Amino acid sequence: DAGVIQSPRHEVTEMGQEVTLRCKPISGHDYLFWYRQTMMRGLELLIYFNNNVPIDDSGMPEDRFSAKMPNASFSTLKIQPSEPRDSAVYFCASSPGLTYNEQFFGPGTRLTVL
Amino acid sequence: AQSVTQLDSQVPVFEEAPVELRCNYSSSVSVYLFWYVQYPNQGLQLLLKYLSGSTLVKGINGFEAEFNKSQTSFHLRKPSVHISDTAEYFCAVSGPPATTFGRGTSLIVHP
Repeated sequence: DAGVIQSPRHEVTEMGQEVTLRCKPISGHDYLFWYRQTMMRGLELLIYFNNNVPIDDSGMPEDRFSAKMPNASFSTLKIQPSEPRDSAVYFCASSPGLTYNEQFFGPGTRLTVL
Repeated sequence: AQSVTQLDSQVPVFEEAPVELRCNYSSSVSVYLFWYVQYPNQGLQLLLKYLSGSTLVKGINGFEAEFNKSQTSFHLRKPSVHISDTAEYFCAVSGPPATTFGRGTSLIVHP
């Protein structure tokens, strides 16, 4: 199994531009999570899906952030418009369950907004 | 609601010395506890987990952790560290609604 795949690995953009981060979870996993990691705030859960349905998006910082999961093998996290404070590493993770199952993390996307 | 507190943000140690990374949690429901490790420029990966049963849990790379319900702790230990153990370590508690991660402890192993 290839594990969780994220693209791009690095993204540099200018303030105001739209950014789209992509994730392919492990096949058969029913849960998909999006996290943001910064030095200041640590690892934050942004949103998670169960069977492609968004369950909890209370961690999404504001309306500029949106996430979709059109099918079981693909999810996107979009920031529009991007701001310098969005600079962070964004992780996607998948899991077969919500509570007692481990989460499998992708390698992350390092986003820099100038 | 649940929470995780990792008491040390950074732990420096010399190679071959023992190490303990501390974690305290709070949860109002059944507790499932995890330790993850993050090597530079990588995602998190599971070191070990406690779901039930024996309170001493063994994981990969010689790490182990002990679940202490009365002290609400789940400290991670290794009797002899290696340079390659230098990484960020995250304690996590899982239960409704989802997993909560601690802020992380940076383990720095010096030669």
